[in-house]
Amino acid sequence: DQQVKQNSPSLSVQEGRISILNCDYTNSMFDYFLWYKKYPAEGPTFLISISSIKDKNEDGRFTVFLNKSAKHLSLHIVPSQPGDSAVYFCAAIGSGTYKYIFGTGTRLKVLA
Amino acid sequence: DGGITQSPKYLFRKEGQNVTLSCEQNLNHDAMYWYRQDPGQGLRLIYYSQIVNDFQKGDIAEGYSVSREKKESFPLTVTSAQKNPTAFYLCASSWGQISTEAFFGQGTRLTVV
Repeated sequence: DQQVKQNSPSLSVQEGRISILNCDYTNSMFDYFLWYKKYPAEGPTFLISISSIKDKNEDGRFTVFLNKSAKHLSLHIVPSQPGDSAVYFCAAIGSGTYKYIFGTGTRLKVLA
Repeated sequence: DGGITQSPKYLFRKEGQNVTLSCEQNLNHDAMYWYRQDPGQGLRLIYYSQIVNDFQKGDIAEGYSVSREKKESFPLTVTSAQKNPTAFYLCASSWGQISTEAFFGQGTRLTVV
């Protein structure tokens, strides 16, 4: 049972435009949500996070939105740059454990 | 510099052999994790440990074993019982609290022939 889902395996965006990556979850007990960026053959690097008590968190070009009623979060990258091309994973933690549960990832390609 | 180190980066083994992947962290983190990445499957949790001498099974623990004898070390053994061991293995650590991120190593690519 996939508790964290990323339904879009890939996304292509023009340089300078907005990239929107989406993530859905099923467990309402998750307390904390994170986004990671990953290049091939490397470990994921932390990008941005949001607590379940907030609905928005911003860090430079990256903004994460959380809609608890819809069990949905999204990552906005504005403006998108070619160096943003990577696989993005959303993750969730909580529900009485310290396990990070990851989605299947979305491959973002930013076209120059 | 603080960080999490996995070794080796590439590992080849013959079918039927056990192999141990190393993971060391000097971040003084309490919690450590092992994930496996396969194409199209995301990161799946194998085992995790919240404190020394304690660990719990993740979603795909069958065919794997771990130990946590020291805070900084969390080795993963891939046994011959693991049906599809060829994969990219990632180790991570965190403070073991809800509102913190996990830090990942660079991964080990295991190929069983």
